[in-house]
Amino acid sequence: DAGVTQSPTHLIKTRGQQVTLRCSPKSGHDTVSWYQQALGQGPQFIFQYYEEEERQRGNFPDRFSGHQFPNYSSELNVNALLLGDSALYLCASSLVRQFGQYFGPGTRLTVT
Amino acid sequence: DQQVKQNSPSLSVQEGRISILNCDYTNSMFDYFLWYKKYPAEGPTFLISISSIKDKNEDGRFTVFLNKSAKHLSLHIVPSQPGDSAVYFCAASASDNNNDMRFGAGTRLTVKP
Repeated sequence: DAGVTQSPTHLIKTRGQQVTLRCSPKSGHDTVSWYQQALGQGPQFIFQYYEEEERQRGNFPDRFSGHQFPNYSSELNVNALLLGDSALYLCASSLVRQFGQYFGPGTRLTVT
Repeated sequence: DQQVKQNSPSLSVQEGRISILNCDYTNSMFDYFLWYKKYPAEGPTFLISISSIKDKNEDGRFTVFLNKSAKHLSLHIVPSQPGDSAVYFCAASASDNNNDMRFGAGTRLTVKP
């Protein structure tokens, strides 16, 4: 039973560019959440997707957008990258209305 | 706004002794609390949780205590083992909004042999 997988593992981008990160949820899960973890901080909630729609959003600008596909996998897109977007991006999956999220290993994004 | 705080960035204990990790929260709407453990290059792994209707939950060597009046919870690990060395995150959410988990900044636990 595969857990949550994310790709790529590492990514280096230049300020102003756009990036797409990918996540496949744990088998049987239908809900995907994205988090940003800056160095020395805990994960910060970006948004959550269920039934291909954004259910809730944290305090992140519109430059951060997402998508969920019919197979429950998800993408996180960040436009107009800033140096401050450098962080570990974590994807977590769960069943809707149930507590307990399973995290992937994350994608380390570096913006230069 | 830091609604969940872990004020100790690091903790070092001897193998076999008790590790106590602390967490404070400010939002009285939080009624479900979780602890996650994170090794380098891995995502956080769920460890143990507690709902606000309880003041203690135990799972093997791990026990979480909740003091609602003080808005404080703690994770006890007894006995501590070198494999417990990791970063521990406290997280909280409200049952009517379990989409949005708020995490503390984490405490790095080092268990020395």
